[in-house]
Amino acid sequence: GQSLEQPSEVTAVEGAIVQINCTYQTSGFYGLSWYQQHDGGAPTFLSYNALDGLEETGRFSSFLSRSDSYGYLLLQELQMKDSASYFCAVGGTGGFKTIFGAGTRLFVKA
Amino acid sequence: DGGITQSPKYLFRKEGQNVTLSCEQNLNHDAMYWYRQDPGQGLRLIYYSQIVNDFQKGDIAEGYSVSREKKESFPLTVTSAQKNPTAFYLCASSPRTALEAFFGQGTRLTVV
Repeated sequence: GQSLEQPSEVTAVEGAIVQINCTYQTSGFYGLSWYQQHDGGAPTFLSYNALDGLEETGRFSSFLSRSDSYGYLLLQELQMKDSASYFCAVGGTGGFKTIFGAGTRLFVKA
Repeated sequence: DGGITQSPKYLFRKEGQNVTLSCEQNLNHDAMYWYRQDPGQGLRLIYYSQIVNDFQKGDIAEGYSVSREKKESFPLTVTSAQKNPTAFYLCASSPRTALEAFFGQGTRLTVV
């Protein structure tokens, strides 16, 4: 079957760095994405990894290791507005049938 | 401004009624998607469409139907056959794969 595992909650201090891990089991792996969702809002695309390695976009970076079926999202210089849920998602063959993880709720404390 | 518009934002339905959720995009994307989100959970794929006049079932298609007659529009009908329709419904579109998708603001459906 297909599944994704990510921690349910993470708490960090403003200005710190936090890493959210995602492990997956899927057939026909097409890539790993990360989305941010604030309460009651729509998911917002953050990052996408199709190949192994690190992708950096401003304060956010995402890493993928296909051999380990593992990825992570790294958030640097945390701000209060980063408090949200973060979802990893993987695509099967063709990249159109996407499976989402249950989400990691990030709490940023002052 | 380009984007995805879902309407209505809130919708109340009586049991046994069909209801249609609207989704319109002006991003010129070929692919569109419908997801369902239940409280504290991730998104689950209902249907997706890669091009006009074509759509495919996702993981939880039972009790739902869609059409894709225009590139810009991908309405979702929640039928009376859907046993537990109360949820947050999200429409998305993408220029390529679903892994770089843009979402609408969602429709919160409640069965009363």
